[in-house]
Amino acid sequence: GEQVEQRPPHLSVREGDSAVIICTYTDPNSYYFFWYKQEPGAGLQLLMKVFSSTEINEGQGFTVLLNKKDKQLSLNLTAAHPGDSAVYFCAVQAYQGGRALIFGTGTTVSVSP
Amino acid sequence: EAAVTQSPRNKVTVTGGNVTLSCRQTNSHNYMYWYRQDTGHGLRLIHYSYGAGNLQIGDVPDGYKATRTTQEDFFLLLELASPSQTSLYFCASSDGTGVYAEQFFGPGTRLTVL
Repeated sequence: GEQVEQRPPHLSVREGDSAVIICTYTDPNSYYFFWYKQEPGAGLQLLMKVFSSTEINEGQGFTVLLNKKDKQLSLNLTAAHPGDSAVYFCAVQAYQGGRALIFGTGTTVSVSP
Repeated sequence: EAAVTQSPRNKVTVTGGNVTLSCRQTNSHNYMYWYRQDTGHGLRLIHYSYGAGNLQIGDVPDGYKATRTTQEDFFLLLELASPSQTSLYFCASSDGTGVYAEQFFGPGTRLTVL
């Protein structure tokens, strides 16, 4: 079945710096991709969803890039601020299997002033 | 926005204990899921259901039963709890259709098995 590798497990950055998290998946039948943010003691907050190959989506302070050719999904935090400190998960969804999500192992991001 | 609630939010039990985790969604979604979250593993799918009375096995089902009594309610049962089941449990719901079939997550239940 699908496997999702997420790197790095930890990121420490200074406020204003950028940070990149990369997920690599294995199943070419995976069609839909998500990034979630989990703040301490909280549930999962959807940051971005992406579908098309080589799609770039921009949100509030971050950019998501999907490269289906290389089976890679990335999240780029631009100009990080302390409010970005959280655990970030990528998730991959196939059209089969009840549309369940396969998650990466998570990246803990710490942003210091 | 979809509302998914879980109870209890925290639970402590002993090895061999009987635990039921509850999840309710009020957005008329067909699909509901139970995941567990552990450091180094992310979230892993335990069971899911696409309607009342239906149950599908996920990726880490051992030691867990589940039951979907209504469209709204999905329960996770640990009949002989073990310390390895100490984890953070999330429930999610989705309409299962559309391009993204986005899942909406509950706040989580932290279970400790002593």
